[in-house]
This record gives sequence, C-alpha cells and structure tokens, in this order.
Amino acid sequence: EAQVTQNPRYLITVTGKKLTVTCSQNMNHEYMSWYRQDPGLGLRQIYYSMNVEVTDKGDVPEGYKVSRKEKRNFPLILESPSPNQTSLYFCASSLSGLDNSPLHFGNGTRLTVT
Amino acid sequence: SQQGEEDPQALSIQEGENATMNCSYKTSINNLQWYRQNSGRGLVHLILIRSNEREKHSGRLRVTLDTSKKSSSLLITASRAADTASYFCATGPGAGSYQLTFGKGTKLSVIP
Repeated sequence: EAQVTQNPRYLITVTGKKLTVTCSQNMNHEYMSWYRQDPGLGLRQIYYSMNVEVTDKGDVPEGYKVSRKEKRNFPLILESPSPNQTSLYFCASSLSGLDNSPLHFGNGTRLTVT
Repeated sequence: SQQGEEDPQALSIQEGENATMNCSYKTSINNLQWYRQNSGRGLVHLILIRSNEREKHSGRLRVTLDTSKKSSSLLITASRAADTASYFCATGPGAGSYQLTFGKGTKLSVIP
C-alpha cells in the first residue's frame, strides 16, 4: 500500500532533550516536506526536500533540522525542543513537489514539549 | 506565507444538503488543490484544478476556479455525516514552485 509513515504518533518530551521524528515513503517520490499545524495558524511548512541531499527552508524553519540521505526517508530533528514547538507535525511527499503534484500526507505526530 | 484563505471558517449543515466552501488567494497560480482532513489525521488530496480550467467534477465534488477574482469554490453535493472534516485549499506562488501553501481551512460539520 502506498503510504507515508511517521513515527512516533504521539511524543511527550522535556525542554532541551533532542528528538527525531521519522518519516518514510514507499512511492519513490522525489519531494518530501514537513509541516506543523497549530490552531488558528493552519499548516505551515518547516522544510522541504526536492531530492536526495537537497533541502530548503520553508516558512518556519527555526529550531528544526532535516536530512535527506535516502530518497525514502526525511527525518525531522529538534536538537533543543522548546514549548513553542508543541504542535501537530505532518510529513508529506509528492512525485515532483511542483504545484501540479498532489501531496500524500502521513498521519501526523502530536508533540508536546514541557 | 499564507497564500489561500478559506471562507467560512466553520459550516454546519444537515445531511443531504449541499456544502459550499470558498478559497481566495493573492498571487497568480498555475494550479489549485483541495484537501480534506479528518480530525487530527493527515490531509487527503481531493482534486486539482488548473488555471485554464473553470470547473471540475469528481463524484459529489464540484470545484470552480475564477482566476480574475483569484478565488475557488468547493461544492459537496448531497452531504453525508462522513463528509464532516476540515477542508483546505492549497496553491503554489508560481510556475516551478516547490512551496505549496495552505489556507487555514473550513471546518464542515454534517449533522445526521
């Protein structure tokens, strides 16, 4: 089954403790992206990757890192999480990343930073 | 940068009625997409309409696009309780863009 898999689904952590949210897709998609979703603010793009070893900042990249060493994986790293990074995170992928290419989303990771 | 803005923010209708949601955007686009999100889950792509199209249908969904007004509408006909979800429009700022941006969504409640 074609899918984007994020793990974990829920995560509670403390300020400053490094964490990684994994994302994997099995559709051989070139493009992958991370979004965060907050009430009243909608979906905001954090980082995206057009291909292996090619990444770029979205609208809200501060406090996040990403890497794209393999085509299928695009982990999101929070090196020193803070409470303002408490949010619902989504990984998404598409064939090309262009605006004519529908995005496929994971089921989300709900992160709480205390 | 928010490109699309949906209207209304929330909509409540009875099962069987039609639901219309609107999306306005600021800059020229090549394509506009609509997505559905069930509570707390990932978004699901519904339909894509190109800038040279005025209307597109998919099952009970009808999307229109008016590039002169920079707006789009999503009509769901004969709504069902299972249509209860948030609906988002998404656009890119131009040809070759990798940054698809989403509006804040319309929350649709269909009452059985």
